[in-house]
Amino acid sequence: GQQLNQSPQSMFIQEGEDVSMNCTSSSIFNTWLWYKQDPGEGPVLLIALYKAGELTSNGRLTAQFGITRKDSFLNISASIPSDVGIYFCAGHPSTQGGSEKLVFGKGTKLTVNP
Amino acid sequence: DGGITQSPKYLFRKEGQNVTLSCEQNLNHDAMYWYRQDPGQGLRLIYYSQIVNDFQKGDIAEGYSVSREKKESFPLTVTSAQKNPTAFYLCASSIGASGGNEQFFGPGTRLTVL
Repeated sequence: GQQLNQSPQSMFIQEGEDVSMNCTSSSIFNTWLWYKQDPGEGPVLLIALYKAGELTSNGRLTAQFGITRKDSFLNISASIPSDVGIYFCAGHPSTQGGSEKLVFGKGTKLTVNP
Repeated sequence: DGGITQSPKYLFRKEGQNVTLSCEQNLNHDAMYWYRQDPGQGLRLIYYSQIVNDFQKGDIAEGYSVSREKKESFPLTVTSAQKNPTAFYLCASSIGASGGNEQFFGPGTRLTVL
C-alpha cells in the first residue's frame, strides 16, 4: 500500500527552540493532516490542509501543503515542555476515490528539555 | 459534549478468549475506523465503515471482526485467531463522503492478553 515517509523519527530540543518536521510521498495527496499524540491517549488533530501551497497556522504551529502535492511540513515555534509528544502526518491519496481512508506516517517523537 | 468514547481504557484477557472493544460517537459522523498501534509504530487500519450496515477490511483485518448496526456505534471484536492481540486500539470517525477527510480519535483502549 501507499506509504508516507515522515522525518525525523525523533527530535531532542531545548525549550524555546523552533522545530521542523516533514512528510513525503511518492504519489499525490488531496489532503494533509497533522496530529499530536500524548502518551496513552488518542491523536488530536492540529491542522488540516486541503490546497496545494496552503499555509495554515494554529497558535505556534504552522503547516504547509507542498506545491507538488507530495509533501507537507509542520513547524513549531518557541517550543515549550507541553509540546512533548508524537506528531503524525496523515494524507488522503488522490487515487483513493470515494474511500475515506487515510495514510499515516510513522510519527516524529519530540522531546523538549526545559 | 460531542466526541468519541472508547471503553474500557484498559482491558486484560486470557489467551484464547474473544474480547469486544466499544466505540461510540455522538458527532453524527457517517464513517468510523479502527486502528491498531504498537509501541513505536504508526497507526495501522483494521476495519472501517463508511455507512451503517456496511464495512470494509483494512490492512490488518485478520483475527478481528466488526459490526455497524447503528450510526453511532462501531464495536471491534478481537478474536482468538488474532495471534498477537496485545496493543493499543484507537477508534476514529469522520463526517464521511459529504465532508472533508479529517478523522477524530477516541482516547484508545489498551488491550493486554495474558
